[in-house]
Amino acid sequence: NAGVTQTPKFRVLKTGQSMTLLCAQDMNHEYMYWYRQDPGMGLRLIHYSVGEGTTAKGEVPDGYNVSRLKKQNFLLGLESAAPSQTSVYFCASCQRETSTDTQYFGPGTRLTVL
Amino acid sequence: GQNIDQPTEMTATEGAIVQINCTYQTSGFNGLFWYQQHAGEAPTFLSYNVLDGLEEKGRFSSFLSRSKGYSYLLLKELQMKDSASYLCAAMDSNYQLIWGAGTKLIIKP
Repeated sequence: NAGVTQTPKFRVLKTGQSMTLLCAQDMNHEYMYWYRQDPGMGLRLIHYSVGEGTTAKGEVPDGYNVSRLKKQNFLLGLESAAPSQTSVYFCASCQRETSTDTQYFGPGTRLTVL
Repeated sequence: GQNIDQPTEMTATEGAIVQINCTYQTSGFNGLFWYQQHAGEAPTFLSYNVLDGLEEKGRFSSFLSRSKGYSYLLLKELQMKDSASYLCAAMDSNYQLIWGAGTKLIIKP
């Protein structure tokens, strides 16, 4: 049982390049989330999904797109990377049967945009 | 607006007790979470409070006062491995987590 995994762990992009971050979970969780974490700031929600085939915008969605074609996978895309998107990206999942359900986090992707 | 405040950094001695405070303002409230995050790693769940009072879990306890918009995490018998950042997060009326910036706890021998 791997929990939540993220690919890749590290990436360096040039401004204007595109990439996709992959998140996979094997806990059969309905809800999945993408966050970014920047120094001196709390985790900020980019996009989230409440089930297969659904996505919704979070607090900071601009410049990102997501897809949830399979229940276990949640993809985060950067179409044209900008230096402001340099950050650590965390994926999380939870079952959300009740409001107390815990979010389980992946190990993170460290992205640098030059 | 929605806001979470917690101290940026705290220092404590191995074997001692430390209390990390958190104040929150959210649109609606569905509970208060504490997570631990070691440097370079993912956050991991520590505790959840939705009712006023103290929840104890081994060396860690968490307290909530809904009327004051206040919570604290109490760590007893500090160990070097407790050196980490502690993240406070409040769940709003839409069941979204609003996160604080985290408190970096430094443990000295």
